[in-house]
Amino acid sequence: GAVVSQHPSRVICKSGTSVKIECRSLDFQATTMFWYRQFPKQSLMLMATSNEGSKATYEQGVEKDKFLINHASLTLSTLTVTSAHPEDSSFYICSARDPQKQGHTDTQYFGPGTRLTVL
Amino acid sequence: KQEVTQIPAALSVPEGENLVLNCSFTDSAIYNLQWFRQDPGKGLTSLLLIQSSQREQTSGRLNASLDKSSGRSTLYIAASQPGDSATYLCAVRGNQFYFGTGTSLTVIP
Repeated sequence: GAVVSQHPSRVICKSGTSVKIECRSLDFQATTMFWYRQFPKQSLMLMATSNEGSKATYEQGVEKDKFLINHASLTLSTLTVTSAHPEDSSFYICSARDPQKQGHTDTQYFGPGTRLTVL
Repeated sequence: KQEVTQIPAALSVPEGENLVLNCSFTDSAIYNLQWFRQDPGKGLTSLLLIQSSQREQTSGRLNASLDKSSGRSTLYIAASQPGDSATYLCAVRGNQFYFGTGTSLTVIP
């Protein structure tokens, strides 16, 4: 099946620094990727939809200037958490949609996630 | 806005028991419903995908049902094993995915 990777799997940073998380589709070209965030004991929440070659679409309440998303190629999307604060500590998961499986039958392939800890 | 609820929040059963996890959603206008498994610190693993036109899906010891009109889905796990211990999430897809908060399952050897 399709594989989506994320790097790094775990990152610890100091407050005020920026952190970049990469999401790659390994065996298919993903025109659309999604970024989710999961706080402890809470459900996954969609942060933004990333479309290759265009600006990302952010969900309500997600600061686009804080969470920069770049989908520069069909296999790579990056999420940069700028000026990170302890409240940004969370589990970030990306997913990718295979364009050859469009429509109601499509499914998203999820990355393994990145655990961010901001000190 | 779509709301997805999972009951129970946590469940502990002895090995070998059959069990049912419940998922309910408020808006029946969905394309599909998906059950995921999440191990601690890991990403999601898709278990079963049920299209809105389907009533159930089966994979091995897992069976998921969907009653779209009543906004309910169940995940049935037969003959539970310690390796089944994980958090199980259901998600409905409308214009986006809406996730439940999950059921944390512990299967005791």
